[in-house]
Amino acid sequence: EAGVTQSPTHLIKTRGQQATLRCSPISGHTSVYWYQQALGLGLQFLLWYDEGEERNRGNFPPRFSGRQFPNYSSELNVNALELEDSALYLCASSLVGSGGQETQYFGPGTRLLVL
Amino acid sequence: AQKVTQAQTEISVVEKEDVTLDCVYETRDTTYYLFWYKQPPSGELVFLIRRNSFDEQNEISGRYSWNFQKSTSSFNFTITASQVVDSAVYFCALSEEGGANSKLTFGKGITLSVRP
Repeated sequence: EAGVTQSPTHLIKTRGQQATLRCSPISGHTSVYWYQQALGLGLQFLLWYDEGEERNRGNFPPRFSGRQFPNYSSELNVNALELEDSALYLCASSLVGSGGQETQYFGPGTRLLVL
Repeated sequence: AQKVTQAQTEISVVEKEDVTLDCVYETRDTTYYLFWYKQPPSGELVFLIRRNSFDEQNEISGRYSWNFQKSTSSFNFTITASQVVDSAVYFCALSEEGGANSKLTFGKGITLSVRP
């Protein structure tokens, strides 16, 4: 069974540009989560999508947004990139997000570098 | 608010030594879930175990064992006879029951180095 996949693996942008990161969940999983792992800040929850809807978001500015498609894949968009957005962005998926009981399985991540 | 503390930041051991990674959590919920993940240098988080708050039985899986104690809000992870392949960053995480609480709250992680 294929795991969570993410693309691209690496992304280099300049300040002010927009970045788009993509994630495909494990087959049968309907929930997708995004996390940011920035140096010195640890793993922080960004967004949670389930059944095409945004269910929860972490303490990030509105320029971090995303969506979930009918096939449950997801896109994370970061607008007006800032240097501190440089980080590893991890996507995870789980079965129905009916509360924290479901295990989240992670993809390999996208390393975003903002110059 | 939920919080996970991994007080150890870096641990270095020699191969075949046993090592325990500590995790202390805070939550107001009576139902919650605890996790351990391993992050090798490649970056991907690998799921190791999930524990429900109502199940305090310790668990053993090969060289790995977990000790869950609600009385001290701890969920410690022991690797027996460590191997070089165990070198990674290990994260403890917590999620609470209920709708919007599906997010994971992670500790800062513990970097484990196992030397040959």
